[in-house]
Amino acid sequence: GQNIDQPTEMTATEGAIVQINCTYQTSGFNGLFWYQQHAGEAPTFLSYNVLDGLEEKGRFSSFLSRSKGYSYLLLKELQMKDSASYLCAVTDSNYQLIWGAGTKLIIKP
Amino acid sequence: GAGVSQSPSNKVTEKGKDVELRCDPISGHTALYWYRQSLGQGLEFLIYFQGNSAPDKSGLPSDRFSAERTGGSVSTLTIQRTQQEDSAVYLCASSNLGTSGGADTQYFGPGTRLTVL
Repeated sequence: GQNIDQPTEMTATEGAIVQINCTYQTSGFNGLFWYQQHAGEAPTFLSYNVLDGLEEKGRFSSFLSRSKGYSYLLLKELQMKDSASYLCAVTDSNYQLIWGAGTKLIIKP
Repeated sequence: GAGVSQSPSNKVTEKGKDVELRCDPISGHTALYWYRQSLGQGLEFLIYFQGNSAPDKSGLPSDRFSAERTGGSVSTLTIQRTQQEDSAVYLCASSNLGTSGGADTQYFGPGTRLTVL
């Protein structure tokens, strides 16, 4: 079967760095997405990785290792507004998006 | 339009009634997706359209659920004889799937919060 695993919840301190991991087992791979979802709102696109390595975009970076079926989202200089759920999703060989359950990130002052 | 729009934003209905939810995708996007999200839970895939056809209906939870898309644009999700377990936020997303031969980003609408009493 197809599976996306990510931690259910993480806590971090304002100003610190946090890494949210995602592992996947899918039938084929055509890219991995990270989305941010604030409570009561729709998911919004953060990043897309299809090749191995690190993609940096401001305070957020996303890493992919296809051989390990592994990705992480790195958030630096955490702000209170970063409190949200972070969803990992993988596109399989049929270009269908398989979603993880999301990681709820709690930022404490 | 500038983004994906959905209506209504909130819908309260009585058990047994039918409801119709609407999604207006980003202009020009060929692919349209419906998801369901219960409180505190992840996204549950319902159905996907490429143009007007639905190659993947595997996520529809029962035959009370149906969806259509006309003119390659607006889509409606219909739930017949609603049950209390249908209460959730129904999210629609659109993308330009297939135009670049790769995976395309899905852009989400604000959702419809459905409450079945």
